[in-house]
Amino acid sequence: ILNVEQSPQSLHVQEGDSTNFTCSFPSSNFYALHWYRWETAKSPEALFVMTLNGDEKKKGRISATLNTKEGYSYLYIKGSQPEDSATYLCASGYNQGGKLIFGQGTELSVKP
Amino acid sequence: NAGVTQTPKFRILKIGQSMTLQCAQDMNHNYMYWYRQDPGMGLKLIYYSVGAGITDKGEVPNGYNVSRSTTEDFPLRLELAAPSQTSVYFCASYPGQGIKRAQPQHFGDGTRLSIL
Repeated sequence: ILNVEQSPQSLHVQEGDSTNFTCSFPSSNFYALHWYRWETAKSPEALFVMTLNGDEKKKGRISATLNTKEGYSYLYIKGSQPEDSATYLCASGYNQGGKLIFGQGTELSVKP
Repeated sequence: NAGVTQTPKFRILKIGQSMTLQCAQDMNHNYMYWYRQDPGMGLKLIYYSVGAGITDKGEVPNGYNVSRSTTEDFPLRLELAAPSQTSVYFCASYPGQGIKRAQPQHFGDGTRLSIL
């Protein structure tokens, strides 16, 4: 059984703080690592999809890195804002476009 | 394009009732998925399909059935609703094999289902 682990489970920060989360995944037969942002009562919204070892992607204040050899990815948020409050999900895929295995998510709360 | 459309958005069922959750996509994606989301558990895959006429079980298929008669539609059926099936259900789609680069899954807005 493949497991994807995210840490921490929840995080409470002040507006302006920078923060980061970890996603650990089995590295054998790895194909792609996905990050999604998920607000309550909405559908998960794709942030990044990464496939290559050493990949770094950036979208505004949010960035992500990927290490496929050791099986982890980091998501960074620089200068957190209250609108960043959401659950951040990572998921790993093990064949081209097949099933994704999701982590349990990191719930971020940013206080003004 | 509407993307992935799920209906209904909310539903309350009595124990033992049956219902079908509808999912349709207009992106001509081959792959479609049904997930359930339980608090603190992320998303668990119920069933998925890699094309019309082909379906397969995911991690938590018990109590559910699916069919895929067309590329566009992937309904999820609950035959005998149980309280353990109270959850938020998400449908998603993905282009499938042969794409040039990895792409994200596209999610519907979810169906919130309560079994009482």
